[in-house]
Amino acid sequence: NAGVTQTPKFQVLKTGQSMTLQCAQDMNHEYMSWYRQDPGMGLRLIHYSVGAGITDQGEVPNGYNVSRSTTEDFPLRLLSAAPSQTSVYFCASSTRTLGQGASDGYTFGSGTRLTVV
Amino acid sequence: KNEVEQSPQNLTAQEGEFITINCSYSVGISALHWLQQHPGGGIVSLFMLSSGKKKHGRLIATINIQEKHSSLHITASHPRDSAVYICAVSPWKAAGNKLTFGGGTRVLVKP
Repeated sequence: NAGVTQTPKFQVLKTGQSMTLQCAQDMNHEYMSWYRQDPGMGLRLIHYSVGAGITDQGEVPNGYNVSRSTTEDFPLRLLSAAPSQTSVYFCASSTRTLGQGASDGYTFGSGTRLTVV
Repeated sequence: KNEVEQSPQNLTAQEGEFITINCSYSVGISALHWLQQHPGGGIVSLFMLSSGKKKHGRLIATINIQEKHSSLHITASHPRDSAVYICAVSPWKAAGNKLTFGGGTRVLVKP
């Protein structure tokens, strides 16, 4: 099925470990982004990309790296996990123009629930 | 003041009732999005609006660009509609179509 695929769905890390959250989309969307969702804080933007080879920081980028080598993939790397990074992470993709076409708009992945102990 | 404000924060309805959730925003936008999130679940995009009104099944979304206001209506509500509904906007010319989110409305529909 077309959409945004995130893996893994659940992960437990020890403080200081590193890991990569995978995100792939098959809709040929130009824009991709990573958000984290925390109780009382809502959804906040970590990093985003407007195309292959182009990434930029969002609201809460510290402790995370991203790269966009292909249109389809946008992995999020945690360099040295900290308990403050315990959260639910969502990857999303969108068309460049938010018109009213049937294929325009945002698509979210199913989320990765990360716990850092 | 947040750029996107939703009301109410919580809503409880009896099955079959008509539900309205409101969203006000303070910036120029290229689109407004209504999202749905079931407990412990992923985020589903319900509607993307830049003008007028859209309908999908029992859900209706409207937007008034001049007043910077949108509403999401659920007709004949059902317990499976119990979820958090999130309003988000794509500010005009925001790089990467970045979204600014409201705080969400938690809806509980009792049978």
